[in-house]
Amino acid sequence: GENVEQHPSTLSVQEGDSAVIKCTYSDSASNYFPWYKQELGKRPQLIIDIRSNVGEKKDQRIAVTLNKTAKHFSLHITETQPEDSAVYFCAASTARRRALTFGSGTRLQVQP
Amino acid sequence: DVKVTQSSRYLVKRTGEKVFLECVQDMDHENMFWYRQDPGLGLRLIYFSYDVKMKEKGDIPEGYSVSREKKERFSLILESASTNQTSMYLCASSPPMGLRDTQYFGPGTRLTVL
Repeated sequence: GENVEQHPSTLSVQEGDSAVIKCTYSDSASNYFPWYKQELGKRPQLIIDIRSNVGEKKDQRIAVTLNKTAKHFSLHITETQPEDSAVYFCAASTARRRALTFGSGTRLQVQP
Repeated sequence: DVKVTQSSRYLVKRTGEKVFLECVQDMDHENMFWYRQDPGLGLRLIYFSYDVKMKEKGDIPEGYSVSREKKERFSLILESASTNQTSMYLCASSPPMGLRDTQYFGPGTRLTVL
């Protein structure tokens, strides 16, 4: 089945810096790649997603890039703010199996 | 706004008890999912369902079963709870394939098995 690996497990940046989280997937049939943000004690919330027919997508300070050949995708957060501090999860799914396979998560801490 | 609710936020049970975790969504979503979340392991898929009365095993189905008698409700059952099933359980739902695949999560149930 699908396997999604996520790095790093923890990331600490200074406010205003950029943060990058990387994920690799194993199933070449995967075609949907969402990113979720989970604040302490809260449910995961979708922040951005990308499909396999697109190489990059941007939404204000957040962007996701996808390299299908290398089977990896990344989350980029620019001009980080303290409220960006949370655990971020990447995930992947195929058209056949709509269920998501999640990475292990990255705890991002933005130091003011 | 999509609303996914779970029957309990916190639950404490004893080893060997039968445990029911309920999930209800109000958006007429076909797809529903149960995950467990453990530190350092992310969210792992237990079971999912694409329609009423259908179910498919996820990646870690052992020790669990599910029931979907109505479209809006998806129940996770621990037949005989064990201490290694102490975890955070998250339910999610999503619209039919072809529409956006976004999964919407419930608030979670933190289950402790003593």
